[in-house]
Amino acid sequence: EIVLTQSPGTLSLSLGERATLSCRASQSIRSNYLAWYQQKPGQAPRLLIYGTSNRATGIPDRFSGSGSATDFTLTINRLEPEDFAVYHCQQYGSSLTFGGGTKVEIK
Amino acid sequence: QVQLVQSGAEVKKPGSSVKVSCKASGGTFSTYAISWVRQAPGQGLEWMGGTIPIFGTANYAQNFQGRVTISADGSTSTAYMELSGLRSEDTAVYYCARGREVTMIVEAFDLWGQGTIVTVSP
Repeated sequence: EIVLTQSPGTLSLSLGERATLSCRASQSIRSNYLAWYQQKPGQAPRLLIYGTSNRATGIPDRFSGSGSATDFTLTINRLEPEDFAVYHCQQYGSSLTFGGGTKVEIK
Repeated sequence: QVQLVQSGAEVKKPGSSVKVSCKASGGTFSTYAISWVRQAPGQGLEWMGGTIPIFGTANYAQNFQGRVTISADGSTSTAYMELSGLRSEDTAVYYCARGREVTMIVEAFDLWGQGTIVTVSP
C-alpha cells in the first residue's frame, strides 16, 4: 500500500499569502495519479486537482498542483477567506489511499 | 445538475451491520463508479471500495475485505454500502463519491454525497 505523508500538519498564514502544501509518497505513483481535495468543517471533500496538475471544473486558477514520482505540491496563491480549510492528497495509481491532511488556518 | 443524496444517520450496536444508501439524481448513473470513503472523528479519509453499476463488479480495499459489501441498483440509480461486524472504531462519517472517469473505480472523485454519520455504541 502506498502511504502518503502530508506536511506540515498545520499551516498558519494571512490573507493574501501563498500556501505551499506537501504530499510525499512511500513509493512512486504510477502516471502521477495524484489528486487534492479541500474540506471545510461539516462538509464533504471537494476535488481541486487531479492527475497532479489538472484543475477540476470551477476551481480558480490560484490553486495549482505540481510534482512527480514521490513528491507533490499544492500551491494556493493569494489566500482568500474561503481557502482556510483542510486539504487532503489522494493517490490512485496503485489502489487508492489518502494522506492525513493539512489544515490551513488564519494567522 | 447531478447530485448524490445519502440516507440518514444510524446508531448501531457492536457486532451488528449497517447499510447506507446513495441515490444519484439528475444525470447518468450506471457508467460511473461509485466508491465509499469514510472519515472517523478528527481523522483523515479512508477508501473502502467501489462499484461500477453497469458491470455489477466491486473492488474492495484490503482493510475491509470480507466485512463490506458494495452494490448498486441501476433501475433506481442507488448505490449501497453494507458494513458488518461493527465495532466502536467504525464510528465515522461515510461518504459516497463518484469517480471522475467512466468505468474507473480507482479514480479521483469529482462528486460526493453529503455524508452519513454512523455511530456504533453499546
